[in-house]
Amino acid sequence: GAVVSQHPSRVICKSGTSVKIECRSLDFQATTMFWYRQFPKKSLMLMATSNEGSKATYEQGVEKDKFLINHASLTLSTLTVTSAHPEDSSFYICSAVSTSQNTGELFFGEGSRLTVL
Amino acid sequence: KQEVTQIPAALSVPEGENLVLNCSFTDSAIYNLQWFRQDPGKGLTSLLLIQSSQREQTSGRLNASLDKSSGRSTLYIAASQPGDSATYLCAVLDTGRRALTFGSGTRLQVQP
Repeated sequence: GAVVSQHPSRVICKSGTSVKIECRSLDFQATTMFWYRQFPKKSLMLMATSNEGSKATYEQGVEKDKFLINHASLTLSTLTVTSAHPEDSSFYICSAVSTSQNTGELFFGEGSRLTVL
Repeated sequence: KQEVTQIPAALSVPEGENLVLNCSFTDSAIYNLQWFRQDPGKGLTSLLLIQSSQREQTSGRLNASLDKSSGRSTLYIAASQPGDSATYLCAVLDTGRRALTFGSGTRLQVQP
């Protein structure tokens, strides 16, 4: 199946700093990628839809200025957690759908665990 | 708004048992339904994808069924093994929407 790579897989940062997480589709192009957040022992909650070449669409309750999303190419979307605080500690997972597929199957990255001290 | 529910939330079975995980969704206007496996601290592994026009999909010891009209899907695992221990997530893709809506998952523990 198609491969989605996330980096870094783990990051620890101090409160107040910003952290960037990358999501890459390695063997396919994706005009749309999705960013999810997962709290411990909870399911995935959609944060935003990342659209190549345009602004991201955020879900209700997600702060646009806190979670900056950039989708500059057909294979890369980035999520930047700005001025991170301990409550931003979570597991962030991206997913992508191939532009050449019409099955609607989504492929997921391995996730990035953010710990804010 | 689509809501996805998974029952049971947790399940512990002895090795070798056949088991069924349940998933229900409130809006039957779906494009497809996917079952995923998630190991602790890891990302998602896609297990089965069922298009809205399909009734079931099979992969090895896994069989997933879909009854769109009643808003239900089941994941059947035959001859369970300790390596099957993980959280199983059900997710639906709504018609016209491109992101998945996830259930809360079933945590499966298969005892050796």
